[in-house]
Amino acid sequence: NAGVTQTPKFQVLKTGQSMTLQCAQDMNHEYMSWYRQDPGMGLRLIHYSVGAGITDQGEVPNGYNVSRSTTEDFPLRLLSAAPSQTSVYFCASSYRVSNTGELFFGEGSRLTVL
Amino acid sequence: AQSVSQHNHHVILSEAASLELGCNYSYGGTVNLFWYVQYPGQHLQLLLKYFSGDPLVKGIKGFEAEFIKSKFSFNLRKPSVQWSDTAEYFCAVNPYNNNDMRFGAGTRLTVKP
Repeated sequence: NAGVTQTPKFQVLKTGQSMTLQCAQDMNHEYMSWYRQDPGMGLRLIHYSVGAGITDQGEVPNGYNVSRSTTEDFPLRLLSAAPSQTSVYFCASSYRVSNTGELFFGEGSRLTVL
Repeated sequence: AQSVSQHNHHVILSEAASLELGCNYSYGGTVNLFWYVQYPGQHLQLLLKYFSGDPLVKGIKGFEAEFIKSKFSFNLRKPSVQWSDTAEYFCAVNPYNNNDMRFGAGTRLTVKP
């Protein structure tokens, strides 16, 4: 049982480049989300999805796009990377976060934007 | 907007000392409350949660937390810490029937052997 799988684990970008962070879960969870973790600021919610075709913005959505075409996958796209997007990104999933509260996290993707 | 405050950024304790980490939130409605833990080099995992009922909840590894509604607090406690408890601890709040889970800034706990 793989759980939540994120790729890549590490990435270095130049300012203005685009990239996609991949997230896949094999637990048939309805809810998926992306967080960024920055020192002293904890985890901040970027975007989330409660099912295929449904996405919503979190606390810090600017500069990021998401889509949810399948239950399993929830990619996070950076269209034009900026140094302020240097962070560790976590994907998380849950059956229904409002019912169970338990988020299952991936191992994280460390992104550096030069 | 709701917020979650963890007042202790870094706590250093010796083994066998007692632990209390503070967590306060600003949301006024019914909330679900959680503590997550991130051990060095690992991803976050659930430590314990409160949905309703007994305000004192017990989690894994001897941790417990008390929900005090009047103080909007959900403090984490452990009577006697171990070196293996060295980790970062995050408080999280989820408004009832809402899919928005907000985390505090985290408290780094270092336990000296």
